[in-house]
Amino acid sequence: DTEVTQTPKHLVMGMTNKKSLKCEQHMGHRAMYWYKQKAKKPPELMFVYSYEKLSINESVPSRFSPECPNSSLLNLHLHALQPEDSALYLCASSQDRDRGNQPQHFGDGTRLSIL
Amino acid sequence: SQQGEEDPQALSIQEGENATMNCSYKTSINNLQWYRQNSGRGLVHLILIRSNEREKHSGRLRVTLDTSKKSSSLLITASRAADTASYFCATDLTSGYSTLTFGKGTMLLVSP
Repeated sequence: DTEVTQTPKHLVMGMTNKKSLKCEQHMGHRAMYWYKQKAKKPPELMFVYSYEKLSINESVPSRFSPECPNSSLLNLHLHALQPEDSALYLCASSQDRDRGNQPQHFGDGTRLSIL
Repeated sequence: SQQGEEDPQALSIQEGENATMNCSYKTSINNLQWYRQNSGRGLVHLILIRSNEREKHSGRLRVTLDTSKKSSSLLITASRAADTASYFCATDLTSGYSTLTFGKGTMLLVSP
């Protein structure tokens, strides 16, 4: 079991649907991350939140909208996605992004399929 | 863009053998980290080595870092079938912030 919990584990949605991915951690970490991982590829960073504020957006299309309601929760709102957005979406957290030299703790991801 | 490049891309060994994976990177780093990913699961952090360290051990894992060659290696000794997974190196490029860039990974298969 991981200490970062992601829901749902699987999601199938149409291109016109609106859905949200959720991530939760209770380790007191103040940095949280969203990654996208295609099959047989490494994770690619999408967003970074530090102290509940968005600090990095890696040129992600606006159909992906992150939200950090509090220090334990991270959401990724999805709207009008394309088939190429089908992937494993991973959430991670680390203690304090400002201090560096820290490992990231990953959830098991949400496997997203766009029809 | 990818910072780290692992080799081999795939490695198949028998239980009890050692497995060595290599990672090369292109720019200066703050630290280098190794992660394991079992099929359909998230990544698990294995070991972090700072830019001023040359070698680090954790159980059956041994990591080396050569900043002059911009390369690192991960050695798994006395491998087990449960070690079957993909292994990624990840470089942390900046001091003070943790932003990882992952290599392409090595798929390790350990046969009983």
